[in-house]
This record gives sequence, structure tokens and C-alpha cells, in this order.
Amino acid sequence: SQLAEENLWALSVHEGESVTVNCSYKTSITALQWYRQKSGEGPAQLILIRSNEREKRNGRLRATLDTSSQSSSLSITATRCEDTAVYFCATDEGNNRIFFGDGTQLVVKP
Amino acid sequence: EAAVTQSPRNKVAVTGGKVTLSCNQTNNHNNMYWYRQDTGHGLRLIHYSYGAGSTEKGDIPDGYKASRPSQENFSLILELATPSQTSVYFCASGWTGANTEVFFGKGTRLTVV
Repeated sequence: SQLAEENLWALSVHEGESVTVNCSYKTSITALQWYRQKSGEGPAQLILIRSNEREKRNGRLRATLDTSSQSSSLSITATRCEDTAVYFCATDEGNNRIFFGDGTQLVVKP
Repeated sequence: EAAVTQSPRNKVAVTGGKVTLSCNQTNNHNNMYWYRQDTGHGLRLIHYSYGAGSTEKGDIPDGYKASRPSQENFSLILELATPSQTSVYFCASGWTGANTEVFFGKGTRLTVV
């Protein structure tokens, strides 16, 4: 069973627009991580948000976490073409096992 | 910058053959992981390790073995490769402890014909 999953397979926006990717999860977690995977590369972490945090920022990225609804979102403002990638949420149950969702493909058009 | 190196980057194997995928990390991380990535399934955990000599089963271990002979190296072994194991395989490493980032290699594309 999928412990973490993004809510949309794909999104498309134009450069400069904002976009939000949503994620839901099914278990108790100690943290939720957002990763980005560009074509031909391995995933790379963007933001880690702990279960006692509600919001975390990293430049143009903002992650939120709602443990009551077991959901998280990743917002990107002022998108650029280089933001085109697959975005994953991943849950950490605190036992060093990290489970990834299926990912959302984001395409940023010029 | 954490460095995780996978070899080979591409591999074509025959059904029934043995395949070994290798991973090396130079960051002295305790934990290492093997994931496979297929369209529509995201990243699925095959095996992981807490340190040299240890291997643990992930979510989809059937048909795979793992070996962690040293802190730096973690191998994934397909004793009898099948076409269903055609996929992209990623190795990752990270520190022990809650809420830690994992660092991924660039992946190995395996095709079993």
C-alpha cells in the first residue's frame, strides 16, 4: 500500500506563475520530505518539515504540513523553466525507512 | 556534497542471468538504500542497510538480494533476472537518526531481455 502519495500526476504552468503540489499520507510520521527529480538524475531533497512544524521555506519554495488531515503541500512561486521536474513527497516514520509517493510531473513552459 | 556513485549506469541482461548492481558512497553514511523506479510507481524500496554486514528487506525484496560488505559499498544482486525486473534502480545513502535526508546516485537503467 502507498504510504505517501501526491494528488496529481501532472501539472503545467507558464514561467512566472505559482504552482502547488499536494501530498497525502497514511501513517504517523516524524517528518515529511519533498524531493525533486530532474530528467536523468536521482531525486534531491528540497525541504524537510518535521511533524511539529506547520510551514517551512526554502527560497521560492514553501512547504506546509497538516498532521490532522495527514497532508502536505509544496508551493513554488515565480516558477522557472528549470523547475520542470518530478516532485515527490516522502514520509519518514523515524525508523530510517523513507517511503516515496508516485510523484507529480511539473512542466514549466516559457 | 554527498557523493553516491552507481555502476554500471546502463545494463542489458538476459533472462535467467545473474546481475549485480554496485553502489559506493564516500560520505561515511550509516544507511544505504536500493530503490527501483517504474512509471506509475514512484520509488519503491527493495533493500536497505544500517551498516556494514547488515541488510534489511524493504517493500519489494522478492527476487533481489543485497550485500553490504563495507560502510562504503552496497550491492543489489539479481540471481535470476526476469523481464519484470527491467527498471531504473537508484542507490541512496543517509545518516542514522530520524528526519535525515538521503542522497541519491544517478541511477542504473537495467533491461532484462
